[in-house]
Amino acid sequence: EPEVTQTPSHQVTQMGQEVILRCVPISNHLYFYWYRQILGQKVEFLVSFYNNEISEKSEIFDDQFSVERPDGSNFTLKIRSTKLEDSAMYFCASSLRQIQETQYFGPGTRLLVL
Amino acid sequence: AQSVTQPDIHITVSEGASLELRCNYSYGATPYLFWYVQSPGQGLQLLLKYFSGDTLVQGIKGFEAEFKRSQSSFNLRKPSVHWSDAAEYFCAVAAGGGGNKLTFGTGTQLKVEL
Repeated sequence: EPEVTQTPSHQVTQMGQEVILRCVPISNHLYFYWYRQILGQKVEFLVSFYNNEISEKSEIFDDQFSVERPDGSNFTLKIRSTKLEDSAMYFCASSLRQIQETQYFGPGTRLLVL
Repeated sequence: AQSVTQPDIHITVSEGASLELRCNYSYGATPYLFWYVQSPGQGLQLLLKYFSGDTLVQGIKGFEAEFKRSQSSFNLRKPSVHWSDAAEYFCAVAAGGGGNKLTFGTGTQLKVEL
Protein backbone atom coordinates (compact mmCIF):
# COMPACT_ATOMS: atom_id res chain seq x y z
CA GLU A 1 0.00 0.00 0.00
CA PRO A 2 1.43 3.42 -0.89
CA GLU A 3 2.51 5.52 2.03
CA VAL A 4 3.91 8.92 2.89
CA THR A 5 7.53 8.83 3.97
CA GLN A 6 9.50 11.42 5.91
CA THR A 7 13.18 11.97 6.55
CA PRO A 8 14.91 12.25 8.89
CA SER A 9 12.97 10.52 11.63
CA HIS A 10 14.80 12.58 14.26
CA GLN A 11 16.78 15.79 14.01
CA VAL A 12 18.63 17.73 16.67
CA THR A 13 19.73 21.26 15.87
CA GLN A 14 21.05 24.36 17.59
CA MET A 15 18.85 27.39 18.01
CA GLY A 16 19.23 29.74 15.06
CA GLN A 17 20.15 27.03 12.60
CA GLU A 18 18.20 26.23 9.47
CA VAL A 19 16.53 22.85 9.10
CA ILE A 20 14.86 21.19 6.16
CA LEU A 21 12.36 18.44 6.74
CA ARG A 22 11.65 16.18 3.82
CA CYS A 23 8.58 14.30 2.76
CA VAL A 24 7.71 12.05 -0.13
CA PRO A 25 3.92 12.12 -0.59
CA ILE A 26 1.93 9.35 -2.20
CA SER A 27 2.83 9.50 -5.85
CA ASN A 28 -0.51 10.42 -7.47
CA HIS A 29 -1.59 12.83 -4.75
CA LEU A 30 -1.96 16.49 -5.56
CA TYR A 31 -2.48 18.20 -2.20
CA PHE A 32 0.21 18.37 0.46
CA TYR A 33 0.19 19.46 4.07
CA TRP A 34 2.41 20.02 7.05
CA TYR A 35 1.22 19.70 10.63
CA ARG A 36 3.09 19.79 13.89
CA GLN A 37 2.53 18.37 17.35
CA ILE A 38 4.33 19.90 20.28
CA LEU A 39 4.90 17.28 22.97
CA GLY A 40 1.73 16.71 24.94
CA GLN A 41 -0.35 19.00 22.75
CA LYS A 42 -2.70 18.51 19.86
CA VAL A 43 -1.80 18.25 16.22
CA GLU A 44 -1.86 21.68 14.57
CA PHE A 45 -2.18 22.61 10.93
CA LEU A 46 0.73 24.59 9.47
CA VAL A 47 0.23 24.83 5.72
CA SER A 48 -1.39 23.28 2.68
CA PHE A 49 0.11 23.29 -0.80
CA TYR A 50 -1.32 22.67 -4.25
CA ASN A 51 -0.11 23.34 -7.76
CA ASN A 52 3.15 24.77 -6.46
CA GLU A 53 1.42 27.35 -4.32
CA ILE A 54 0.41 27.67 -0.71
CA SER A 55 -3.36 27.17 -0.47
CA GLU A 56 -3.74 28.03 3.18
CA LYS A 57 -1.48 28.66 6.13
CA SER A 58 -1.97 29.07 9.84
CA GLU A 59 -0.77 31.89 12.05
CA ILE A 60 2.03 29.59 13.17
CA PHE A 61 3.43 29.55 9.64
CA ASP A 62 5.30 32.84 9.75
CA ASP A 63 8.20 34.13 7.66
CA GLN A 64 10.57 31.66 9.29
CA PHE A 65 8.79 28.81 7.53
CA SER A 66 8.69 27.96 3.86
CA VAL A 67 7.58 25.00 1.78
CA GLU A 68 8.71 23.78 -1.56
CA ARG A 69 8.16 20.97 -4.00
CA PRO A 70 11.60 20.98 -5.61
CA ASP A 71 10.92 18.03 -7.92
CA GLY A 72 8.10 15.68 -8.77
CA SER A 73 8.37 13.63 -5.62
CA ASN A 74 9.65 15.61 -2.64
CA PHE A 75 7.84 18.14 -0.49
CA THR A 76 9.96 20.07 2.01
CA LEU A 77 9.44 22.27 5.03
CA LYS A 78 12.24 24.71 5.82
CA ILE A 79 12.63 26.54 9.09
CA ARG A 80 15.15 29.33 8.51
CA SER A 81 16.23 30.15 12.04
CA THR A 82 14.99 27.65 14.55
CA LYS A 83 13.73 28.61 17.98
CA LEU A 84 13.38 26.48 21.07
CA GLU A 85 9.62 26.51 20.64
CA ASP A 86 9.94 24.90 17.21
CA SER A 87 10.74 21.62 18.95
CA ALA A 88 7.92 19.31 17.94
CA MET A 89 6.92 16.35 15.82
CA TYR A 90 6.31 17.48 12.25
CA PHE A 91 3.92 15.46 10.13
CA CYS A 92 3.58 15.59 6.39
CA ALA A 93 0.32 14.52 4.78
CA SER A 94 -1.03 14.21 1.28
CA SER A 95 -4.39 13.72 -0.38
CA LEU A 96 -5.58 12.98 -3.88
CA ARG A 97 -8.23 15.65 -3.98
CA GLN A 98 -9.17 18.60 -1.86
CA ILE A 99 -12.75 17.91 -0.88
CA GLN A 100 -14.10 14.76 0.76
CA GLU A 101 -10.70 13.23 0.71
CA THR A 102 -8.60 11.45 3.27
CA GLN A 103 -5.27 12.93 4.23
CA TYR A 104 -2.61 10.27 4.63
CA PHE A 105 0.05 11.04 7.19
CA GLY A 106 3.71 10.18 7.30
CA PRO A 107 5.43 8.86 10.43
CA GLY A 108 6.74 12.27 11.38
CA THR A 109 10.08 13.96 12.05
CA ARG A 110 10.92 14.64 15.67
CA LEU A 111 12.73 18.00 15.78
CA LEU A 112 14.62 19.03 18.89
CA VAL A 113 16.03 22.54 19.06
CA LEU A 114 18.69 23.09 21.72
CA ALA B 1 -13.69 28.66 12.53
CA GLN B 2 -14.10 25.00 13.23
CA SER B 3 -13.11 23.40 16.51
CA VAL B 4 -13.12 19.94 18.08
CA THR B 5 -13.51 18.97 21.72
CA GLN B 6 -12.53 15.63 23.14
CA PRO B 7 -13.62 15.86 26.76
CA ASP B 8 -11.80 12.76 27.99
CA ILE B 9 -8.03 13.12 28.21
CA HIS B 10 -7.47 9.61 29.55
CA ILE B 11 -9.68 6.52 29.49
CA THR B 12 -8.91 3.10 30.94
CA VAL B 13 -10.91 0.04 29.99
CA SER B 14 -10.49 -3.66 30.56
CA GLU B 15 -9.71 -5.89 27.61
CA GLY B 16 -12.95 -7.20 26.17
CA ALA B 17 -15.00 -4.29 27.46
CA SER B 18 -16.81 -1.88 25.20
CA LEU B 19 -15.40 1.54 24.41
CA GLU B 20 -16.82 4.92 23.54
CA LEU B 21 -14.64 7.96 22.93
CA ARG B 22 -16.43 11.26 22.76
CA CYS B 23 -15.96 13.97 20.18
CA ASN B 24 -17.88 17.21 19.76
CA TYR B 25 -17.29 19.58 16.92
CA SER B 26 -18.17 23.14 16.09
CA TYR B 27 -18.66 24.10 12.49
CA GLY B 28 -21.36 26.07 10.73
CA ALA B 29 -21.92 23.87 7.71
CA THR B 30 -21.79 20.11 7.15
CA PRO B 31 -18.48 18.94 8.52
CA TYR B 32 -16.17 16.28 7.26
CA LEU B 33 -15.21 14.21 10.31
CA PHE B 34 -12.36 11.84 10.96
CA TRP B 35 -10.92 9.64 13.66
CA TYR B 36 -7.19 8.99 13.63
CA VAL B 37 -5.15 6.76 15.92
CA GLN B 38 -1.56 7.35 16.97
CA SER B 39 0.46 4.56 18.54
CA PRO B 40 3.59 5.51 20.50
CA GLY B 41 6.30 6.78 18.16
CA GLN B 42 4.07 6.32 15.14
CA GLY B 43 2.28 8.61 12.74
CA LEU B 44 -1.45 9.12 12.43
CA GLN B 45 -3.50 6.31 10.96
CA LEU B 46 -7.02 6.89 9.72
CA LEU B 47 -9.62 4.77 11.48
CA LEU B 48 -12.74 6.06 9.74
CA LYS B 49 -14.32 9.12 8.19
CA TYR B 50 -17.72 10.68 7.61
CA PHE B 51 -18.51 12.88 4.65
CA SER B 52 -22.21 12.31 4.00
CA GLY B 53 -24.89 9.63 3.84
CA ASP B 54 -25.27 6.93 6.46
CA THR B 55 -24.53 8.48 9.83
CA LEU B 56 -23.08 5.25 11.21
CA VAL B 57 -19.71 4.62 9.63
CA GLN B 58 -17.53 1.56 9.92
CA GLY B 59 -13.78 1.72 10.09
CA ILE B 60 -10.77 -0.46 10.43
CA LYS B 61 -9.93 -2.63 13.43
CA GLY B 62 -13.61 -3.05 14.35
CA PHE B 63 -14.24 0.61 15.14
CA GLU B 64 -17.38 2.53 14.24
CA ALA B 65 -18.58 6.07 14.76
CA GLU B 66 -21.94 7.76 14.62
CA PHE B 67 -22.52 11.29 13.37
CA LYS B 68 -25.26 13.07 15.30
CA ARG B 69 -25.91 16.49 13.85
CA SER B 70 -28.33 17.47 16.62
CA GLN B 71 -25.64 16.88 19.23
CA SER B 72 -22.68 18.02 17.09
CA SER B 73 -21.03 14.75 18.00
CA PHE B 74 -19.04 12.04 16.29
CA ASN B 75 -18.33 9.45 18.97
CA LEU B 76 -16.08 6.49 18.34
CA ARG B 77 -17.10 3.06 19.55
CA LYS B 78 -15.81 -0.47 19.69
CA PRO B 79 -17.79 -3.36 21.18
CA SER B 80 -14.80 -5.27 22.53
CA VAL B 81 -11.42 -3.67 23.11
CA HIS B 82 -8.15 -5.51 22.51
CA TRP B 83 -4.90 -4.77 24.34
CA SER B 84 -3.41 -3.61 21.02
CA ASP B 85 -5.96 -0.79 20.89
CA ALA B 86 -4.02 1.11 23.53
CA ALA B 87 -3.02 4.35 21.79
CA GLU B 88 -4.00 7.98 21.46
CA TYR B 89 -7.13 8.74 19.48
CA PHE B 90 -7.74 12.02 17.71
CA CYS B 91 -10.98 13.34 16.32
CA ALA B 92 -10.64 15.87 13.51
CA VAL B 93 -12.86 18.05 11.38
CA ALA B 94 -12.28 19.49 7.93
CA ALA B 95 -14.23 22.42 6.66
CA GLY B 96 -13.75 21.70 3.02
CA GLY B 97 -12.91 24.37 0.52
CA GLY B 98 -9.69 26.36 0.63
CA GLY B 99 -6.85 24.11 1.73
CA ASN B 100 -9.07 21.57 3.46
CA LYS B 101 -7.05 21.76 6.65
CA LEU B 102 -7.80 19.38 9.48
CA THR B 103 -8.54 20.74 12.93
CA PHE B 104 -7.77 18.19 15.61
CA GLY B 105 -9.02 17.67 19.10
CA THR B 106 -6.62 17.33 22.00
CA GLY B 107 -6.79 13.56 21.86
CA THR B 108 -7.86 10.79 24.22
CA GLN B 109 -5.23 8.45 25.60
CA LEU B 110 -6.64 4.94 25.84
CA LYS B 111 -5.17 2.45 28.29
CA VAL B 112 -6.27 -1.17 28.18
CA GLU B 113 -6.01 -3.29 31.30
CA LEU B 114 -5.48 -7.01 30.84
